Amino acid sequence: GENVEQHPSTLSVQEGDSAVIKCTYSDSASNYFPWYKQELGKRPQLIIDIRSNVGEKKDQRIAVTLNKTAKHFSLHITETQPEDSAVYFCAASMNSGYSTLTFGKGTMLLVSP
Amino acid sequence: NAGVTQTPKFRVLKTGQSMTLLCAQDMNHEYMYWYRQDPGMGLRLIHYSVGEGTTAKGEVPDGYNVSRLKKQNFLLGLESAAPSQTSVYFCASSYRQGGTEAFFGQGTRLTVV
Repeated sequence: GENVEQHPSTLSVQEGDSAVIKCTYSDSASNYFPWYKQELGKRPQLIIDIRSNVGEKKDQRIAVTLNKTAKHFSLHITETQPEDSAVYFCAASMNSGYSTLTFGKGTMLLVSP
Repeated sequence: NAGVTQTPKFRVLKTGQSMTLLCAQDMNHEYMYWYRQDPGMGLRLIHYSVGEGTTAKGEVPDGYNVSRLKKQNFLLGLESAAPSQTSVYFCASSYRQGGTEAFFGQGTRLTVV
């Protein structure tokens, strides 16, 4: 089955800095890669996703890049703000069929004012 | 529109007791999932369902049973709780299985003493 590795496990940045979280996956058949944000005590919520037919996707201050050859994808957050502090999870699945999401272990991002 | 709702939000069980967690969704989603979240372990899939009357095992199914008698409800049962089942449990649902957003419930914090 799919295996998703996520690094780093914790990341501390100053407000205004950029943050990058990286994930690798094992199953070359995976072609859907979402990122979820989980604030303390809350439920995970989708913030951005990418499919394997594109290499990059942006939404305001967040972007995701995908390298299918190397089987890794990354989340980029620019101009970080204290409200970006949360746990971020990457995940992978196939785009169709009986495929479930496999999650990475999460990255705790702390943005200091 | 409530989305995905879990009952209860908190529970303390004694070892050997049984309980059922209820998940209800009002988005007419076919697919539903139960995950457990432990520190440093990410979200691990326990069981899932691809439609009313169906269930399937996920990554960590031992010690749990599930039922999907109605499309909108997905129940997770613990027949004989063990301290290793202390965790935060999340239910989720999605329109289809692969390649779509999973919507999560607010979580159930279960402690087994």
